[in-house]
Amino acid sequence: QQPVQSPQAVILREGEDAVINCSSSKALYSVHWYRQKHGEAPVFLMILLKGGEQKGHEKISASFNEKKQQSSLYLTASQLSYSGTYFCGTESREYSGAGSYQLTFGKGTKLSVIP
Amino acid sequence: DSGVTQTPKHLITATGQRVTLRCSPRSGDLSVYWYQQSLDQGLQFLIQYYNGEERAKGNILERFSAQQFPDLHSELNLSSLELGDSALYFCASSVALRGQETQYFGPGTRLLVL
Repeated sequence: QQPVQSPQAVILREGEDAVINCSSSKALYSVHWYRQKHGEAPVFLMILLKGGEQKGHEKISASFNEKKQQSSLYLTASQLSYSGTYFCGTESREYSGAGSYQLTFGKGTKLSVIP
Repeated sequence: DSGVTQTPKHLITATGQRVTLRCSPRSGDLSVYWYQQSLDQGLQFLIQYYNGEERAKGNILERFSAQQFPDLHSELNLSSLELGDSALYFCASSVALRGQETQYFGPGTRLLVL
């Protein structure tokens, strides 16, 4: 089951903040976040493994609410370099319990930062 | 540069043909993952290998197969190609057995099936 990302697209001015949400209908074991610039490969941002855990990467952080089966990515004081499409990938407990690996990606959120 | 290499960068072929995509992981990484990215399906996990053994299967078609060799490079074989197989194919590598550590993506192979 593909996680649902919102919003689909967002335009920010430099210095503004944004939040990207990722929701799943399945119980989650982990959430992965990636950024992909046009014509390039995805770049890993962070993985969240525990309920309520929050991680940071430069001015980008994320939270993972295990009970709500959702994660949010926070971009603070956005820079031009933050532009790209952000994907969340979710790993459900169904597979993690079997010791296997299954990552399902959302459709992405296109973020555009303008001067 | 992630340290993961993929060849070829571009591939144009015809329906019904068979192609092989190659991936060399970062030095020291034992896990290799294959992903497909298309406009229709988005980004999809195909298969994972760890130290030569298949560890997990995702949405990989029966016409597709992969293997990881003793030197840890991996190949993805796509056969009986259809128009819908046109996509970007990425491999990624990581140190871990499970996909819960940083995965480094290669630049991808763009496959066009005519």
